[in-house]
Amino acid sequence: EVQLVQSGAEVKKPGESLKISCKGSGYTYTNYWIGWVRQMPGKGLEWMGIIYPGDSDTRYSPSFQGQVTISVDKSINTAYLQWSSLKASDTAIYYCANRKEGAFDIWGQGTMVTVSS
Amino acid sequence: QSVLTQPPSASGTPGQRVTISCSGSSSNIGSNTVNWYQQLPGTAPKLLIYSNNQRPSGVPDRFSGSKSGTSASLAISGLQSEDEADYYCAAYDDSLNGPVFGGGTKLTVL
Repeated sequence: EVQLVQSGAEVKKPGESLKISCKGSGYTYTNYWIGWVRQMPGKGLEWMGIIYPGDSDTRYSPSFQGQVTISVDKSINTAYLQWSSLKASDTAIYYCANRKEGAFDIWGQGTMVTVSS
Repeated sequence: QSVLTQPPSASGTPGQRVTISCSGSSSNIGSNTVNWYQQLPGTAPKLLIYSNNQRPSGVPDRFSGSKSGTSASLAISGLQSEDEADYYCAAYDDSLNGPVFGGGTKLTVL
């Protein structure tokens, strides 16, 4: 079965760092781009960036460039999204998704990140 | 403010046909294909339509998509209570060099 499994919910304080993960299985991980999508509470979907596990080529949405870092460890079929200094406004659900034929066809279950003092 | 524009809400009764619109520009819908996603309450989004009008395996043929110029539409026929969800359109944007989403439409089955 093709699936993406994300790491569990996180509760952090402003200024702390965080790295969440997205592990793929059931397909050739290095052949498809993996994207990250943010959903703030009660809001819509926002594309953050995308990475190609085969060569780590990474693209960021202008809205998120410099705010987060996307990386991958292809040896363990896992992509990462990280922050060096969290803000309260980073509170959201973060989804990873596999991009195939121009669409996000497989989604992870989401990781809830809560940033509060 | 989303790059793609959708109505915030839509509604219908069981068995009805409803449509959801998605408006964009020449840099996104006008030059690239459109995808639609369904997000049931409390769950991750699911791909519903890709490449304007293609259904992934397992998606009922009650769901259909179309595109014309810089606009697209999702149609749901034979509306069912389990169709109550948020629906998002998306397309690649050549100016932003990445995919953009609509703001989402909340579908209520009355």
